[in-house]
Amino acid sequence: GAVVSQHPSRVICKSGTSVKIECRSLDFQATTMFWYRQFPKQSLMLMATSNEGSKATYEQGVEKDKFLINHASLTLSTLTVTSAHPEDSSFYICSASWTLGAYNEQFFGPGTRLTVL
Amino acid sequence: AQKITQTQPGMFVQEKEAVTLDCTYDTSDQSYGLFWYKQPSSGEMIFLIYQGSYDEQNATEGRYSLNFQKARKSANLVISASQLGDSAMYFCAMKDSSYKLIFGSGTRLLVRP
Repeated sequence: GAVVSQHPSRVICKSGTSVKIECRSLDFQATTMFWYRQFPKQSLMLMATSNEGSKATYEQGVEKDKFLINHASLTLSTLTVTSAHPEDSSFYICSASWTLGAYNEQFFGPGTRLTVL
Repeated sequence: AQKITQTQPGMFVQEKEAVTLDCTYDTSDQSYGLFWYKQPSSGEMIFLIYQGSYDEQNATEGRYSLNFQKARKSANLVISASQLGDSAMYFCAMKDSSYKLIFGSGTRLLVRP
């Protein structure tokens, strides 16, 4: 099956610092990657969609300058939380797909738990 | 706009019994896909089952089946012979022509021994 990894799995940082989260598709080329955020006891909320080689498309209400997404290759997308604050503490999950389509499964990474002190 | 609704925040089921988790959806698209995911306490999203809007038969995957009622826009998940390891959050999700996978609010299932 298709495998997606995320690194780190858990990160604790001080307020004001920037944190980078990597999402990798290990055994397939991901033309599209998605970033989700999940607060405790809530659902997954789509933050942005990134296509390899182009700018990410952000969902309404998501600050593009705060959550920088780069999809530089077909196997790697990164999410950088800039100047993180305690309210950014959350579970961040990426998913990847080798093609767009309503019928195509997205493969999820294991998630990254971010805690901002 | 697409929308997924899960009205059961929590459910209990006795071990070895069947349980149905409700999901209704809304989309103006004719072509769409419906997904169910399981999320244990570890946080990983585990794909369970998929139903395409044009599929005439209900999807089944082992102990999981999807009760797809297109006219009612419902896609309920049925878990048969519940096991203790089934205790987790369950999310219904939909993908339409926007290609975005949108999730419902989830149902927490607890299997009692």
